[in-house]
Amino acid sequence: SQTIHQWPATLVQPVGSPLSLECTVEGTSNPNLYWYRQAAGRGLQLLFYSVGIGQISSEVPQNLSASRPQDRQFILSSKKLLLSDSGFYLCAWSKQGARTNEQYFGPGTRLTVT
Amino acid sequence: GEDVEQSLFLSVREGDSSVINCTYTDSSSTYLYWYKQEPGAGLQLLTYIFSNMDMKQDQRLTVLLNKKDKHLSLRIADTQTGDSAIYFCAESKRTGTYKYIFGTGTRLKVLA
Repeated sequence: SQTIHQWPATLVQPVGSPLSLECTVEGTSNPNLYWYRQAAGRGLQLLFYSVGIGQISSEVPQNLSASRPQDRQFILSSKKLLLSDSGFYLCAWSKQGARTNEQYFGPGTRLTVT
Repeated sequence: GEDVEQSLFLSVREGDSSVINCTYTDSSSTYLYWYKQEPGAGLQLLTYIFSNMDMKQDQRLTVLLNKKDKHLSLRIADTQTGDSAIYFCAESKRTGTYKYIFGTGTRLKVLA
């Protein structure tokens, strides 16, 4: 069966510090990968998605970036965090070519920028 | 346009049925989904429906789709306290990236 991991689970970082959040998927190959952000009390905003190694598409302009160095690894980064980067970050995967396109989510990382 | 709207809050008594509603604007959506998010956790896929279907039932869950009105609903029968969570609907199109558009989420509170 497939599982998706995210770490860390929680993170408190000062403004201006760098960020690295990691997501890994087990039990599947060549998945589509997604990063979402959920601000407090709000819905999900798609930040990045990837259909393959080194292939990243950005949905919104921001000071965040994403990378996919391996097939099942997706990293969200920032060189300098802003207060507005606080939120709940969710990674998700879906099966390439699946007709029904279900997305499966990780447990999330709660980021607080102080 | 690509907007998915949900009411923000719903409160029901334990044992009653819950109906969570969702409206969307893009008639080219092919699949519509319902997710559940418990406090501090990720999203759990509950069920989905293909756009050429009117209804789908899965144990206590019933999904109704009115494509003409672009209205989707999730009915939870015999609602339990463990059903308290935020429920998101989402739509997907068969474009190359299979991106979702999520609704704003409905917080369901089940009263004992």
